[in-house]
Amino acid sequence: EPEVTQTPSHQVTQMGQEVILRCVPISNHLYFYWYRQILGQKVEFLVSFYNNEISEKSEIFDDQFSVERPDGSNFTLKIRSTKLEDSAMYFCASSPEGQTTYEQYFGPGTRLTVT
Amino acid sequence: RKEVEQDPGPFNVPEGATVAFNCTYSNSASQSFFWYRQDCRKEPKLLMSVYSSGNEDGRFTAQLNRASQYISLLIRDSKLSDSATYLCVVNLRRGTANDYKLSFGAGTTVTVRA
Repeated sequence: EPEVTQTPSHQVTQMGQEVILRCVPISNHLYFYWYRQILGQKVEFLVSFYNNEISEKSEIFDDQFSVERPDGSNFTLKIRSTKLEDSAMYFCASSPEGQTTYEQYFGPGTRLTVT
Repeated sequence: RKEVEQDPGPFNVPEGATVAFNCTYSNSASQSFFWYRQDCRKEPKLLMSVYSSGNEDGRFTAQLNRASQYISLLIRDSKLSDSATYLCVVNLRRGTANDYKLSFGAGTTVTVRA
């Protein structure tokens, strides 16, 4: 069964450093998303991406964040200057085009720890 | 008011019991509804979509009440493996087909004991 993959599984970085989180969505999916989940809290939407552009972003997704689909398979989330409060689990998700129920399939997540 | 609210639980039930819990959503324009399951420190996994007529998948039954804006999940004959956090998820489409997002509840924790 095809699945969303994410690398690395755990990233430790120092405050102020840039990090890039990588995702490989399911190959025939066209809609891509990033979510985050701070430990003990709910899953929060960050951004959706379709046709090589952001279709929606939340208030969390400020100028420190950016997304890119650099090639036909990868989807990345960059945080330019990490803060302590960016420590969270980051989930990538993808969805096929034309699904009326808009089911999204999640990757296993990257645990980001900012020290 | 939160977009999606759930009873956090925990619901602690013996094997074989029935457990049910609800979720309410604030935006009446919400269009799609789901229950996801999340195990500790893992990704959310789709359990089932929720349809207006109600639907069943094995031991799981989901109901949607649009008038009252709530969704329910019932688990029959609970198994130890049903222990997880159940996330109520609402999809709101705004404008074009590309412009929508999932809103998650904080989750309801269910623990099934032997």
